Amino acid sequence: QKEVEQDPGPLSVPEGAIVSLNCTYSNSAFQYFMWYRQYSRKGPELLMYTYSSGNKEDGRFTAQVDKSSKYISLFIRDSQPSDSATYLCATSRAGGNTGKLIFGQGTTLQVKP
Amino acid sequence: ETGVTQSPTHLIKTRGQQVTLRCSSQSGHNTVSWYQQALGQGPQFIFQYYREEENGRGNFPPRFSGLQFPNYSSELNVNALELDDSALYLCASSNGQGAGATEAFFGQGTRLTVV
Repeated sequence: QKEVEQDPGPLSVPEGAIVSLNCTYSNSAFQYFMWYRQYSRKGPELLMYTYSSGNKEDGRFTAQVDKSSKYISLFIRDSQPSDSATYLCATSRAGGNTGKLIFGQGTTLQVKP
Repeated sequence: ETGVTQSPTHLIKTRGQQVTLRCSSQSGHNTVSWYQQALGQGPQFIFQYYREEENGRGNFPPRFSGLQFPNYSSELNVNALELDDSALYLCASSNGQGAGATEAFFGQGTRLTVV
């Protein structure tokens, strides 16, 4: 079993839709969770960084962590074609965002105009 | 742009050869982590260097080795290349360790093709 599981999609939505991206993880010791966005042929870009359970909002993006079910989510409101990318969830084995990250497989999102 | 630069951007090597990939960390960062990303997969942690010492290693064989220099730039060396080594190699730059570490910023990657 992978430590972080993520449905690879692809996920296709119309412009303006609310997008829900999800991951599950296996180790209850994980406390730091990140969402990265990766455009084709580019390096990952950090979108959201959360600690423990709860919600964090940044503009059109909301990250949610439910430690009781080991479930992390990223919501994108009013999705735009420029949001079309691969979204990677990640956690850190060593505590904090130390760079020793465990990634999910990534979900490919396409937002159609 | 993150300030993390990797070179070269693309590389084609023959099976059995050796390759060196380079990463310049962001100014003020003392930690570099290397990842391998196969097509359609998430990045896999190879190893990390903190203040010139290896500081953790993922499930990769010893033919994957690295180095960090006093200016905190880093190299990834892969010996005896195999076809399965074809991937995007990413480095990530951060500062500090543990809960006090800054977020990791990724470079654009080096795409290695082994034929």
